[in-house]
Amino acid sequence: GESVGLHLPTLSVQEGDNSIINCAYSNSASDYFIWYKQESGKGPQFIIDIRSNMDKRQGQRVTVLLNKTVKHLSLQIAATQPGDSAVYFCAETFLGSARQLTFGSGTQLTVLP
Amino acid sequence: NAGVTQTPKFRILKIGQSMTLQCTQDMNHNYMYWYRQDPGMGLKLIYYSVGAGITDKGEVPNGYNVSRSTTEDFPLRLELAAPSQTSVYFCATSEGGETQYFGPGTRLLVL
Repeated sequence: GESVGLHLPTLSVQEGDNSIINCAYSNSASDYFIWYKQESGKGPQFIIDIRSNMDKRQGQRVTVLLNKTVKHLSLQIAATQPGDSAVYFCAETFLGSARQLTFGSGTQLTVLP
Repeated sequence: NAGVTQTPKFRILKIGQSMTLQCTQDMNHNYMYWYRQDPGMGLKLIYYSVGAGITDKGEVPNGYNVSRSTTEDFPLRLELAAPSQTSVYFCATSEGGETQYFGPGTRLLVL
């Protein structure tokens, strides 16, 4: 989730286990949220999104949960695989901002064999 | 369909030099964005455009300029490079202003 300074939060999981990555967002007006995956040396890659009128959305092996009361977002990855090792960012935006994204500082996920 | 392409991939500049980072998309998206990413940090918005001829400042625009003369291209200009501009720069596009698709990035080192 969130971090202060230059140190990314890290999460290490065993291959095959489920991963949960958390994110606290800042703007109560945000109505659209996205999770991105960034592998080393590459640009962010879209994983899944959710609108503020939903509290859960599922994709293939991934689920995003949204709790607007506490402004919290989570990404669940089922049966984590080595290829899931990357930095994961949440991003928030709201209609009327030309959909400018505000990114969290990211979480480094490492999948252990 | 190449998506979003950025050139160059890597560049070293001396303090005070100028350069243009190129971004081209073939998805016919109206919205385009420039971000910078410092080590261990998230992305910060520099400038964005909602269509040809329209640009606006993001969170960290100082030291940069942009133009958008065509739908496809959105170049980012650094006029007087400073060490604080050492970063990785990402261009992104979106169709209706929602899901953004990112290019591979340009790594810039200012010495």
